[in-house]
Amino acid sequence: KAGVTQTPRYLIKTRGQQVTLSCSPISGHRSVSWYQQTPGQGLQFLFEYFSETQRNKGNFPGRFSGRQFSNSRSEMNVSTLELGDSALYLCASSLAGSGGPSYEQYFGPGTRLTVT
Amino acid sequence: AQKITQTQPGMFVQEKEAVTLDCTYDTSDPSYGLFWYKQPSSGEMIFLIYQGSYDQQNATEGRYSLNFQKARKSANLVISASQLGDSAMYFCAMREITQGGSEKLVFGKGTKLTVNP
Repeated sequence: KAGVTQTPRYLIKTRGQQVTLSCSPISGHRSVSWYQQTPGQGLQFLFEYFSETQRNKGNFPGRFSGRQFSNSRSEMNVSTLELGDSALYLCASSLAGSGGPSYEQYFGPGTRLTVT
Repeated sequence: AQKITQTQPGMFVQEKEAVTLDCTYDTSDPSYGLFWYKQPSSGEMIFLIYQGSYDQQNATEGRYSLNFQKARKSANLVISASQLGDSAMYFCAMREITQGGSEKLVFGKGTKLTVNP
């Protein structure tokens, strides 16, 4: 079974631009979560989607948004990029809400975003 | 709010020896789950082991075991027979569940483990 995939793996953007990151969960997983990892703040929860609905959102400004499609693939978008948005963005999928063992979240390789 | 504390920013161990990575947690929920993840330099978070708050026995997965002391609110990871490939960042995390059924992980700051030959 294929793991969680994220595209692109690396991205360089300039301040003020916007960016869209993509995540494809493991087949059958309907819950997708996004995390931001920075050296200063560590790993922080961004949001979680289940069946195309955002169920939970972390403490991030409105510039950070996301969505989930009917095939469970998810995208996150960051508008008006700031230098502080440089981070590793990790996507995780799980069986949470699907009747299976929900405790394990499987992570993708991440997208490393650099804002200059 | 739930909180995870990892007090060891870095740890060193000799190859083939055992090492314990510390994790303490704080929660008022009677039901919770604790995880350990490994993050190599490539960035991917690799699930290692899980312990549920109601599990009677300490979790084990191959060379990984979890020393779960509920009264002390600690969930230390023990890696036996360390290998060079174990060199990585290790994160302790707790599962937080909202009323709507959403789940998220709250992570500690991590411990960087270096295995010396």
